[in-house]
Amino acid sequence: AQSVAQPEDQVNVAEGNPLTVKCTYSVSGNPYLFWYVQYPNRGLQFLLKYIPGDNLVKGSYGFEAEFNKSQTSFHLKKPSALVSDSALYFCAVKGWTGANNLFFGTGTRLTVIP
Amino acid sequence: EAGVAQSPRYKIIEKRQSVAFWCNPISGHATLYWYQQILGQGPKLLIQFQNNGVVDDSQLPKDRFSAERLKGVDSTLKIQPAKLEDSAVYLCASSPQQGRGTEAFFGQGTRLTVV
Repeated sequence: AQSVAQPEDQVNVAEGNPLTVKCTYSVSGNPYLFWYVQYPNRGLQFLLKYIPGDNLVKGSYGFEAEFNKSQTSFHLKKPSALVSDSALYFCAVKGWTGANNLFFGTGTRLTVIP
Repeated sequence: EAGVAQSPRYKIIEKRQSVAFWCNPISGHATLYWYQQILGQGPKLLIQFQNNGVVDDSQLPKDRFSAERLKGVDSTLKIQPAKLEDSAVYLCASSPQQGRGTEAFFGQGTRLTVV
């Protein structure tokens, strides 16, 4: 079975500071990992994805994520947070085999403080 | 490129009533998903279509939920009869192919409240 864990329900960061939103995964074989963002009353927007290959992935709006196989992690990062980054962030995984759909974490609410 | 369209945006019904949601995926996308997102939780897959065939409906409560995808394009999700615990946002998503490295594109969702 595949799953992801987002250990922090809430992350607060000051504007201009670096931000990290954590995600760990559990899957058989190589994972495919995704980050999505959800703004109020909006659907999920795709940010970036990891497919087996380069461990550092760059995505939309200046976000990046690093795949770490030994720590089974795929943390989302941004060097300098903006107030407009405040939203709900979801990590998701697809396994190498089995069901070919996204399994989502419970989400992390990011608040960037001006 | 137009995104995934869903309607209605909001729906309030009484328990034991029926309700239907509609989704129009991105043009040319063969794979279509319906997810249920309960407040405070991540989205959970209800059903996945590839063209007009069902790929995965293992998490669909088939005693009350049904879904179809007409001619491999639009899809409808129905709940009959609704229960209080069905209150959630129902998200439709589509992707151009079934590959594991392919991301899904989501609609804005339908917020269902069952009273």
